[in-house]
Amino acid sequence: RKEVEQDPGPFNVPEGATVAFNCTYSNSASQSFFWYRQDCRKEPKLLMSVYSSGNEDGRFTAQLNRASQYISLLIRDSKLSDSATYLCVVNKGISSGSARQLTFGSGTQLTVLP
Amino acid sequence: DTAVSQTPKYLVTQMGNDKSIKCEQNLGHDTMYWYKQDSKKFLKIMFSYNNKELIINETVPNRFSPKSPDKAHLNLHINSLELGDSAVYFCASSQFPGALISTDTQYFGPGTRLTVL
Repeated sequence: RKEVEQDPGPFNVPEGATVAFNCTYSNSASQSFFWYRQDCRKEPKLLMSVYSSGNEDGRFTAQLNRASQYISLLIRDSKLSDSATYLCVVNKGISSGSARQLTFGSGTQLTVLP
Repeated sequence: DTAVSQTPKYLVTQMGNDKSIKCEQNLGHDTMYWYKQDSKKFLKIMFSYNNKELIINETVPNRFSPKSPDKAHLNLHINSLELGDSAVYFCASSQFPGALISTDTQYFGPGTRLTVL
């Protein structure tokens, strides 16, 4: 089983649609969770951290379910500029130097169509 | 103001050559990383340094040798390049506070696209 698994997509949605991405992780000791965004031929950039209580940033909502080891990202009212690959990212846990090691999912590709 | 910079941006070279990629961060971070992103877009960590000390060394051929002259720089030297080394190499940095829990946010450089012919 991969440490972080995502549906690769691609997701092709019309402007204004709501789209949800899911991610599962295998290490129950993981403490930190993130969604990164990577545009074509660019570097990954942090989109948002994911907290147990769920968190929202504008049109983006992230949820974490520790019991199921599941993370989600919801994008409402999608824009053309949301087209990118969304990477689910999980840290390894709190022991030793590996705590700082992030494991990246392979990404979910989103294309928002006009 | 560039936070994490890498040079060169593109590198095309012949099999068997030796090449280096340089990385610098001006964020004052203590920890720096090298990642490899292959043609399937899978981003995998190779090395991590904390304050010039190697803390993560994943299963990477020993043809790859990182060097950190100071905590703001982490260079990657690759000997005897092979076709399979073709990929995009990203440098990243993050804070490394003394506390166990941190934000772990990593800031990435623009990447070096390596093509081995």
